[in-house]
Amino acid sequence: EVQLVQSGAEVKKPGESLTVSCRASGYTFTEFWIGWVRQMPGKGLEWMGVIYVDDSDTRYSPSFQGQVTLSVDKSINTAHLQWNSLKASDTAMYYCARLHGGNPIEYYFDFWGQGTLVTVSS
Amino acid sequence: SFELTQPSSVSVSPGQTASIDCSGDNLGNRYASWYQQKPGQSPVLVIYQDTKRPSGIPERFSGSNSANTATLTIRGTQAMDEADYYCQTWDTNIWVFGGGTKLTVL
Repeated sequence: EVQLVQSGAEVKKPGESLTVSCRASGYTFTEFWIGWVRQMPGKGLEWMGVIYVDDSDTRYSPSFQGQVTLSVDKSINTAHLQWNSLKASDTAMYYCARLHGGNPIEYYFDFWGQGTLVTVSS
Repeated sequence: SFELTQPSSVSVSPGQTASIDCSGDNLGNRYASWYQQKPGQSPVLVIYQDTKRPSGIPERFSGSNSANTATLTIRGTQAMDEADYYCQTWDTNIWVFGGGTKLTVL
């Protein structure tokens, strides 16, 4: 059974750093891309970026380029979403999701993590 | 940048057919996927590659995509189908979500 289990909720202050994790199981981790999606309170889904686990090839949404860093640790089947300096506007739910498909035009997010709520407040 | 447009809300009576449109420039030349999100839950894939249903998704969910519009259709809508629905596609290294449609079953 494919599962993506994310790290727990975080409360941080502006300017602090943070890493959110997504641990995968039930499939060969290195054969898929992992994507990250933001959902601000009461709002829709926003694609942030994707990373190909095998070689860490990464694509970022222009809206998030330079704001976050995606990485993977293949040894523990885990993907990471990292901020160096949080802002209050980063307060949101963050989801990881597995990207499935043979080539980019076919890709879709077939399994999702449970979400990690990040609250940034002074 | 590529954009997908959805109505903010759609209402349907129980047992009737609900249709949710998603429009984008030449969307019919790309694949569309649809996700269902209930309050407090993660999104769930309900349609991929325009018309395909993942295992476990009821047959009452179907999809189509032509010209500039992809459509999610729910036949025999049930109360449990009340949720937010998002369309999604891909455009040259960018994955795009529509703004979401709140489906109300009343």
